Amino acid sequence: GAGVSQSPSNKVTEKGKDVELRCDPISGHTALYWYRQSLGQGLEFLIYFQGNSAPDKSGLPSDRFSAERTGGSVSTLTIQRTQQEDSAVYLCASSRDRGWNQPQHFGDGTRLSIL
Amino acid sequence: AQKITQTQPGMFVQEKEAVTLDCTYDTSDPSYGLFWYKQPSSGEMIFLIYQGSYDQQNATEGRYSLNFQKARKSANLVISASQLGDSAMYFCAMREAGNTDKLIFGTGTRLQVFP
Repeated sequence: GAGVSQSPSNKVTEKGKDVELRCDPISGHTALYWYRQSLGQGLEFLIYFQGNSAPDKSGLPSDRFSAERTGGSVSTLTIQRTQQEDSAVYLCASSRDRGWNQPQHFGDGTRLSIL
Repeated sequence: AQKITQTQPGMFVQEKEAVTLDCTYDTSDPSYGLFWYKQPSSGEMIFLIYQGSYDQQNATEGRYSLNFQKARKSANLVISASQLGDSAMYFCAMREAGNTDKLIFGTGTRLQVFP
């Protein structure tokens, strides 16, 4: 498709398990972002990838969170030893490049529920 | 300090009327972009409109226009001829030239359009 694709759309797992969330950005977009949206809240930045540069991990809330981007395209966000406070919608976005005038285009998100 | 402030948690508007959603921002960077996103109950984040800090004209996209008052640091979204499908959360966001790694979001305004 032409938009940002995320999978799974919903994930329910038990506390303590690891989860992997996938993002496939718009073709040709070099910049990729992960955000988290807790219930009724705005978006919280997690991590940013731009081309082959080192990612900006400044928004990751703990060392249980990690992300990688392979081949400059698909990205995976991994949460280890999940906690109930990790329950949220995880949104991925991409933009053509990192310019400040570039809008970010979002996927439909992954709704993560930790039991 | 809040970088993006949306002071209206909720707004109501009658169908076919115009509505203004408020957004103020705080930055010392002379180069920045302002963005509005719509988030329906289905959860996706839809890019609506962009205004650059150097743009002389207010941005317009169909029924959406942005009332940009740079000296007051405000970037209000105006929706003309409201439709029932406009009912959603609306987020104002900013991207600074010196900090292009992320969009900074406000807390959002929930708009409800009634017949």
